[in-house]
Amino acid sequence: AQKVTQAQTEISVVEKEDVTLDCVYETRDTTYYLFWYKQPPSGELVFLIRRNSFDEQNEISGRYSWNFQKSTSSFNFTITASQVVDSAVYFCALSEAYAGGTSYGKLTFGQGTILTVHP
Amino acid sequence: KAGVTQTPRYLIKTRGQQVTLSCSPISGHRSVSWYQQTPGQGLQFLFEYFSETQRNKGNFPGRFSGRQFSNSRSEMNVSTLELGDSALYLCASSLAGVSNQPQHFGDGTRLSIL
Repeated sequence: AQKVTQAQTEISVVEKEDVTLDCVYETRDTTYYLFWYKQPPSGELVFLIRRNSFDEQNEISGRYSWNFQKSTSSFNFTITASQVVDSAVYFCALSEAYAGGTSYGKLTFGQGTILTVHP
Repeated sequence: KAGVTQTPRYLIKTRGQQVTLSCSPISGHRSVSWYQQTPGQGLQFLFEYFSETQRNKGNFPGRFSGRQFSNSRSEMNVSTLELGDSALYLCASSLAGVSNQPQHFGDGTRLSIL
């Protein structure tokens, strides 16, 4: 069965600090997809990035970067020069490709990491 | 492009009642998934609908049900409400509900059971 673990429950940083959010996953599938979502206080989950299991190229997008390592089953997310507006709950999620009917429309989420950025 | 719309935003019910939540997906999206979010259990998958058919279901009792209409709008129903059903219910849509497609979420319906 699939599982996502975000060991960091809460992180508090001061503005302009870099912060890394950790995500470790478990799956039996060889093909799967990993996602990061952000949930601001309004409640809506905002899609940030998707990675597939056969592409370990790391990515940078503005202040965000992602480090995917299949060997350690980790998909970590880094915010560079954090800002107060980055304060939110961040979720890592997994979707399996070959779980048959049990994969349709299903994301398995980690418990989330509450990020607070202080001015 | 309009996002996923959920109504109502807030609901207060009492134990034993039933409730219906509504979700309008992004135009063109045919898959709708529902999730329950609670402080204790986190985000848990309820079920997914595509072309008016439930294709996948999470581990929830039969009191939780749903349906999808021909325009892809979806409703979720919870009968015989229990205190533990208090949660944020999130709806998400994607083009076809396959694993490589990002799901786009609504603001959720916050359900409180008294």
